[in-house]
Amino acid sequence: QVALRETGPALVKPTQTLTLTCSFSGFSLNTAGMSVAWIRQPPGKALEWLARIDWNGDKYYKTSLKTRLTLSKDSSKNQVVLTMTNMDPEDSGTYFCAREWDLLDAADHWGQGSLVSVSS
Amino acid sequence: DIQMTQAPSSLSASVGDRVTITCRASQSIGRKINWFQQRPGKAPKLLIYSASHLQSGVPTRFSGSGSGTDFTLIVTGLQAEDSATYYCQHNYAAPPWTFGQGTKVEIK
Repeated sequence: QVALRETGPALVKPTQTLTLTCSFSGFSLNTAGMSVAWIRQPPGKALEWLARIDWNGDKYYKTSLKTRLTLSKDSSKNQVVLTMTNMDPEDSGTYFCAREWDLLDAADHWGQGSLVSVSS
Repeated sequence: DIQMTQAPSSLSASVGDRVTITCRASQSIGRKINWFQQRPGKAPKLLIYSASHLQSGVPTRFSGSGSGTDFTLIVTGLQAEDSATYYCQHNYAAPPWTFGQGTKVEIK
């Protein structure tokens, strides 16, 4: 079955770079139509879509964060890595990765989330 | 980017009630909208995709409708386990695919 898990630091300092890894199983990013997306949620606030990488290497980013976000994938390891530069306390929250596939055009499987705090 | 506006931001209803949540897009998105349920401390769960298609395993008391800019999620016969926050998300054209601000449903 499909499973995703986010890993990364629980605490980063302001101005540092955050690196999060999404490790997944049960599907392949070599399969046409598959994608992995990142969504975050500040404490007590709404979901915020951040970025997506497709099976063919296409990448999409939230417009206002485009200059700070970078996605990469290692299909052989079934991993997707999200980096976010110049972290700020307002970037604190839970970061989720999710599988999307074009049959649904929706995130049908999610990881449990990785809580990140930005503080000096 | 397309903006998604949900209403209400919160509601309180009794078990057995019919609950309606609306979502309005800032431009026409056809039927390209998904609905998610998020219980406290949990990851979101896909309920409905493409406006009205029920995701596998989701109870049939959940339904979705709408097209263009106005969409509705209906829960017919609210259950205690439906206490959660519900989000719409458009998936029109290429990303970014924005979420609404959420509707918190509480059980009286």
